[in-house]
Amino acid sequence: NAGVTQTPKFRILKIGQSMTLQCTQDMNHNYMYWYRQDPGMGLKLIYYSVGAGITDKGEVPNGYNVSRSTTEDFPLRLELAAPSQTSVYFCASSYFETGTGEDGANVLTFGAGSRLTVL
Amino acid sequence: GESVGLHLPTLSVQEGDNSIINCAYSNSASDYFIWYKQESGKGPQFIIDIRSNMDKRQGQRVTVLLNKTVKHLSLQIAATQPGDSAVYFCAENGANFGNEKLTFGTGTRLTIIP
Repeated sequence: NAGVTQTPKFRILKIGQSMTLQCTQDMNHNYMYWYRQDPGMGLKLIYYSVGAGITDKGEVPNGYNVSRSTTEDFPLRLELAAPSQTSVYFCASSYFETGTGEDGANVLTFGAGSRLTVL
Repeated sequence: GESVGLHLPTLSVQEGDNSIINCAYSNSASDYFIWYKQESGKGPQFIIDIRSNMDKRQGQRVTVLLNKTVKHLSLQIAATQPGDSAVYFCAENGANFGNEKLTFGTGTRLTIIP
């Protein structure tokens, strides 16, 4: 059980380049998320997915795209990299079942992070 | 918008002493609160959570206290160890069962002094 795996761990991009951050989880979690963390700041939600084929915007979605073709994978795409996208990106997952209401629904399992620098 | 904040950005504690990390939240509708620990170079890890129908919840060496009257949350770590050195984040769910509205604080860096 590897949990949440992100690749790459580090990447340097030039302005205008594109790239995809990969995220996969093996816990059969239905919810998946992408956060960014800027220095000295908390985590900001970029996009999330409540299940395969369903994605939605978070707090800071501009400049990013996601897809969720399988339960396991949730890649984050940067189409035209900008210096403002320099950050550490975290993928996370959780299991939530409607009707149970309660414990475990909000407990996120995070990946180790991907540090992206745009120059 | 609603926000979650922390009173102190850094905290240094002697090994073996108890530590208290504070967090203020502003969304009175939030009904679920979580503490995460982030070690250097790693993703955040769940520590403990509490629902708004409780005032206190205990885990192994950790206790979370919730004061809804003043919208204040605290994390107490007993008998601190070097491995407790990390950044601690509180988060609130904005009265949303999923994590779509989960709001994280900016974090408190806890340093354990040997």
